[in-house]
Amino acid sequence: KNEVEQSPQNLTAQEGEFITINCSYSVGISALHWLQQHPGGGIVSLFMLSSGKKKHGRLIATINIQEKHSSLHITASHPRDSAVYICAVINDMRFGAGTRLTVKP
Amino acid sequence: NAGVTQTPKFQVLKTGQSMTLQCAQDMNHEYMSWYRQDPGMGLRLIHYSVGAGITDQGEVPNGYNVSRSTTEDFPLRLLSAAPSQTSVYFCASGGHTTEAFFGQGTRLTVV
Repeated sequence: KNEVEQSPQNLTAQEGEFITINCSYSVGISALHWLQQHPGGGIVSLFMLSSGKKKHGRLIATINIQEKHSSLHITASHPRDSAVYICAVINDMRFGAGTRLTVKP
Repeated sequence: NAGVTQTPKFQVLKTGQSMTLQCAQDMNHEYMSWYRQDPGMGLRLIHYSVGAGITDQGEVPNGYNVSRSTTEDFPLRLLSAAPSQTSVYFCASGGHTTEAFFGQGTRLTVV
């Protein structure tokens, strides 16, 4: 059983919709990362957070340490947001399986 | 992915051949790591290093060697390539206590 669980595995949305991707983990962490992998294959770090909430443009990431849960939100989604989003506890070398997001125009 | 240079981008090997994947970073990160990504499996850790001269095994280390002679470089060696090593490989710098930066990836095919 993967100790970092993401949901949903696949998500299709219409342009403009608000999107939420969830990540639950069972290990103790110092930080949790949200990564984005585009169809071309490159991986980009979106957020690293250990508490509270971070915002970057239309992306918001939250974490609840007590509940061992993190969420990634995308406001006003756009087709260019289509990618695989990966939750990762890198200090424990554990990755979620990823959420494949498709945003349709 | 500014700061992490991973080469080559593509490689085809014959079974039994050896090769080295190069990874270099200029951010003075102590922590570097190598992952493979297979369809439906997500990223899996091969080897990691917490500083020059220090390396350790990850989840799937068999068939791979690493060394860390300098802070900047962390090469991954395939000693005798096997078809099961066909995968996409990523090098990463940082991530332990800092933001993670990934190389562009290497798509390796072993025939």
